[in-house]
Amino acid sequence: DSGVTQTPKHLITATGQRVTLRCSPRSGDLSVYWYQQSLDQGLQFLIHYYNGEERAKGNILERFSAQQFPDLHSELNLSSLELGDSALYFCASSVNFLPNEQFFGPGTRLTVL
Amino acid sequence: DQQVKQNSPSLSVQEGRISILNCDYTNSMFDYFLWYKKYPAEGPTFLISISSIKDKNEDGRFTVFLNKSAKHLSLHIVPSQPGDSAVYFCAASADSRAQKLVFGQGTRLTINP
Repeated sequence: DSGVTQTPKHLITATGQRVTLRCSPRSGDLSVYWYQQSLDQGLQFLIHYYNGEERAKGNILERFSAQQFPDLHSELNLSSLELGDSALYFCASSVNFLPNEQFFGPGTRLTVL
Repeated sequence: DQQVKQNSPSLSVQEGRISILNCDYTNSMFDYFLWYKKYPAEGPTFLISISSIKDKNEDGRFTVFLNKSAKHLSLHIVPSQPGDSAVYFCAASADSRAQKLVFGQGTRLTINP
């Protein structure tokens, strides 16, 4: 157990809909990262928040947005969903920026029908 | 554009023998490399890393080798154990703060008794 929690575990929805994925980092961790893993693909970095502020962006679609709240939990919002958005979405947290200290949650599996 | 490539989707090794997982990268700006291990229904967990100023890093049964001229890194596991069966991802960063980790597609390692 990494200490990072993600809800929900599974999400099934239809095209055109909007969903929110939630991540609670480990206690004391200020950084939250979001990654997408599509079928047979590696993890794709989406976005990084540090203490409530956006710090880095990857190839995140404009239909996707994220935020980190004062209690440090983070939400990833996916809107106008398409079939291709079906993937595993992981969040990771770290107390600082060091890569070996990124702790991953178990992921949310999103299925868009 | 796949900047980090793991060309072997799967690898099968006998228990007690050496497992060698390979990873190639194209971006010469990458200067920090990591290996993550992932079990089903769990997020990736950090295994070992190496900075570009080194060509080898060892941690117990795990050794990572970096060949910068060939833009190639490998993970050696000796001796291989059944618990090592998992998907292994290599990842790279253009700075040690790793705000953007670029992952390979993963290699599924199976250790046979």
